[in-house]
Amino acid sequence: KQEVTQIPAALSVPEGENLVLNCSFTDSAIYNLQWFRQDPGKGLTSLLLIQSSQREQTSGRLNASLDKSSGRSTLYIAASQPGDSATYLCAVRPLEEYGNKLVFGAGTILRVKS
Amino acid sequence: EAEVAQSPRYKITEKSQAVAFWCDPISGHATLYWYRQILGQGPELLVQFQDESVVDDSQLPKDRFSAERLKGVDSTLKIQPAELGDSAMYLCASSLRTRAGEQYFGPGTRLTVT
Repeated sequence: KQEVTQIPAALSVPEGENLVLNCSFTDSAIYNLQWFRQDPGKGLTSLLLIQSSQREQTSGRLNASLDKSSGRSTLYIAASQPGDSATYLCAVRPLEEYGNKLVFGAGTILRVKS
Repeated sequence: EAEVAQSPRYKITEKSQAVAFWCDPISGHATLYWYRQILGQGPELLVQFQDESVVDDSQLPKDRFSAERLKGVDSTLKIQPAELGDSAMYLCASSLRTRAGEQYFGPGTRLTVT
């Protein structure tokens, strides 16, 4: 059974700092990996999608990498801002014959202090 | 920009009552998902539809939960009777038919059972 772990569970940084969020998964047989942002009491906003054949994806100040063989992904946020404060969720799409579900980690709660 | 719509956004109900949630996916998305997110955890899949057919409902508590997508477009998730442990965020997502496609999430319905 695929399991996803995110470290750290919570992170507090001063504005302007570069930071890294970590995600690990137990089974390397995946279609893709997605990073999401969730504001308190809200739905999920997709940030980046990395297909299993890709090594990284970039969008603005965000860069996500994928090392499928070691079961790891990182989300790098450059020059953090108070507006980046949210919960960041990592999810993998396991290779299965049927279904298309995402398996999520519990998330990293990020607070960027001004 | 097309979005997944959900209603209601918030629902408070008493234990043993019936409750229903509605989801309208992005136009053209054949695949629809219902996830449940307990506070402090990542979302977990309850049921997945491909058009009007159920693809995966292995984690759906079928003694009290039901889901339908009669015309292959919008969907309803019902709980009867509601229990205290059902308090959670219920998220709907949709994707194109391709198995590696990105999933787009709605704003969610926050359910509180008293």
